[in-house]
Amino acid sequence: AQSVTQLGSHVSVSEGALVLLRCNYSSSVPPYLFWYVQYPNQGLQLLLKYTTGATLVKGINGFEAEFKKSETSFHLTKPSAHMSDAAEYFCAVSSFIGGNEKLTFGTGTRLTIIP
Amino acid sequence: GAVVSQHPSWVICKSGTSVKIECRSLDFQATTMFWYRQFPKQSLMLMATSNEGSKATYEQGVEKDKFLINHASLTLSTLTVTSAHPEDSSFYICSARGGLRGAGSTQDTQYFGPGTRLTVL
Repeated sequence: AQSVTQLGSHVSVSEGALVLLRCNYSSSVPPYLFWYVQYPNQGLQLLLKYTTGATLVKGINGFEAEFKKSETSFHLTKPSAHMSDAAEYFCAVSSFIGGNEKLTFGTGTRLTIIP
Repeated sequence: GAVVSQHPSWVICKSGTSVKIECRSLDFQATTMFWYRQFPKQSLMLMATSNEGSKATYEQGVEKDKFLINHASLTLSTLTVTSAHPEDSSFYICSARGGLRGAGSTQDTQYFGPGTRLTVL
């Protein structure tokens, strides 16, 4: 079985401050890990993903995440928050179950940017 | 690249009617498509997985006779909510993946559509 835990359902940071959204996972096989962003009433947009190779992954809009196997973590960071970063962020882990791929999502973290 | 569209973006219908939602991969061939349901302020719940030309695989608790899924081509999957009731009101999101895991790009990532908001009166 696989699961994803996102610590903090709500995170608020000041504009220009560091953004840190936490994600821990469990998986019985080497995981593929993803961060998606969702703006109100819209679908999910892929921010970045880790499959194999370099553990520090850079994504769109200045976000990056580091895969730490020893900590089973895949935290999302951005050095300087922008007002447009306000959205819901979902961490997800992918694996194959019963011959089908399954993407398991965390419960999401709502990011608020304080002007 | 890797764009997925959904139609309609929103729909309002009367209780007892059926509603069809389309999901299209616009610039890649989607061997597998997924249908999710999202309740307000909650995460996405996988409803079913469909491979082109095959019957969909439904998650436990999802009524296959109520949520009919067809994946007739490599670029189109449809979800039909039959005899809709108010409790079926939700945000339905599809995603598409291009191929086998490990092959890179569209083949190891799900790309999501913009979602369809269904309201059943």
